[in-house]
Amino acid sequence: DGGITQSPKYLFRKEGQNVTLSCEQNLNHDAMYWYRQDPGQGLRLIYYSQIVNDFQKGDIAEGYSVSREKKESFPLTVTSAQKNPTAFYLCASTHLGVSNSPLHFGNGTRLTVT
Amino acid sequence: AQSVSQHNHHVILSEAASLELGCNYSYGGTVNLFWYVQYPGQHLQLLLKYFSGDPLVKGIKGFEAEFIKSKFSFNLRKPSVQWSDTAEYFCALNLGKLIFGQGTELSVKP
Repeated sequence: DGGITQSPKYLFRKEGQNVTLSCEQNLNHDAMYWYRQDPGQGLRLIYYSQIVNDFQKGDIAEGYSVSREKKESFPLTVTSAQKNPTAFYLCASTHLGVSNSPLHFGNGTRLTVT
Repeated sequence: AQSVSQHNHHVILSEAASLELGCNYSYGGTVNLFWYVQYPGQHLQLLLKYFSGDPLVKGIKGFEAEFIKSKFSFNLRKPSVQWSDTAEYFCALNLGKLIFGQGTELSVKP
């Protein structure tokens, strides 16, 4: 079955450590996105990529980094510079060139930093 | 800046009550609008979308939404809610990247 896989589901890290969240899709989608979901704030866009080896900052990119070396993969690194990293992280993908194409979401990774 | 606002943060209804969740956006051009739902413990799913044409859009599970351009609104409606509709609902605007509202948590009492 086609879909988006995020791993792990739960992740625990100590403050000051970088951590990388995985996102893989086998939908042959061009565009991939990382969102952060916090209670009462909806989903806020961290980074997105519309093509391999290219990506753009979203609304809250500070303290995060990404790479897009392969079409199917878009890992997110939460660096020690992110001041409030504990959150639920969602990866999504969609076709480009079809403006009403919906986003497909992964099941998310809940990151806890102590 | 472009934005999406959902004014109802938490709505509590009894089964069979009618539902309307508000969504307003700020963007002057052509819009593509979506409603997503997140059931407890599940990933976000598409409820419905508006691209063009008929401003009244029907989605899954009996939901519908009406695009009113003059009011910059895309409110979600359902005539009679069920306990299984308990979830968080997100309105979103597609501008090449999807901009989400803050979400509305719906609790339906059996």
